[in-house]
Amino acid sequence: GDSVTQMEGPVTLSEEAFLTINCTYTATGYPSLFWYVQYPGEGLQLLLKATKADDKGSNKGFEATYRKETTSFHLEKGSVQVSDSAVYFCALWGLGGGADGLTFGKGTHLIIQP
Amino acid sequence: SQTIHQWPATLVQPVGSPLSLECTVEGTSNPNLYWYRQAAGRGLQLLFYSVGIGQISSEVPQNLSASRPQDRQFILSSKKLLLSDSGFYLCAWSVASGGYNEQFFGPGTRLTVL
Repeated sequence: GDSVTQMEGPVTLSEEAFLTINCTYTATGYPSLFWYVQYPGEGLQLLLKATKADDKGSNKGFEATYRKETTSFHLEKGSVQVSDSAVYFCALWGLGGGADGLTFGKGTHLIIQP
Repeated sequence: SQTIHQWPATLVQPVGSPLSLECTVEGTSNPNLYWYRQAAGRGLQLLFYSVGIGQISSEVPQNLSASRPQDRQFILSSKKLLLSDSGFYLCAWSVASGGYNEQFFGPGTRLTVL
């Protein structure tokens, strides 16, 4: 079945540092890929998405490129802020999933220190 | 606009006790509804989804059940909780149509079984 693997956390960075959170996937066919973010005390929010190979999703300074050849969708941001501290989930929607259910990674807890 | 509510926000229950978590959606009709769980050290796992009143599909065998008594109400239940039922439970909804539709998540319920 479908699966998503993302780097374990917590990841601790200083403000203005460069961020990369790795995500790789296994899926049947060509899934759609997503990054969700969960801020403290809140539910998950869609951060960005890409629906086909070589697409780049971007939002709030974050970017991720759908790489079919490496089955990856790494999340990047050039200069992180304290307000980016949250848990980030990589996810996919593909033919191997039930109905419209998403397959999620374990989540990466990001801590940004001032 | 659409909103999704979950309650309670946190819950501590003894082993063997019953469980009822409720999720309601406002501002939309005939949504697809989902229950996810995040257990400690694991990713978000789809538990149940529903495409209409009384229609429930289960993704994994477990100690839990779900019901959809009304169009915008989704309930997660258990007759006897196990320690392994502890986790963070998220309800989500999406527009009901073919293909992927963005899922919107509630704030979640943190369940601790002692």
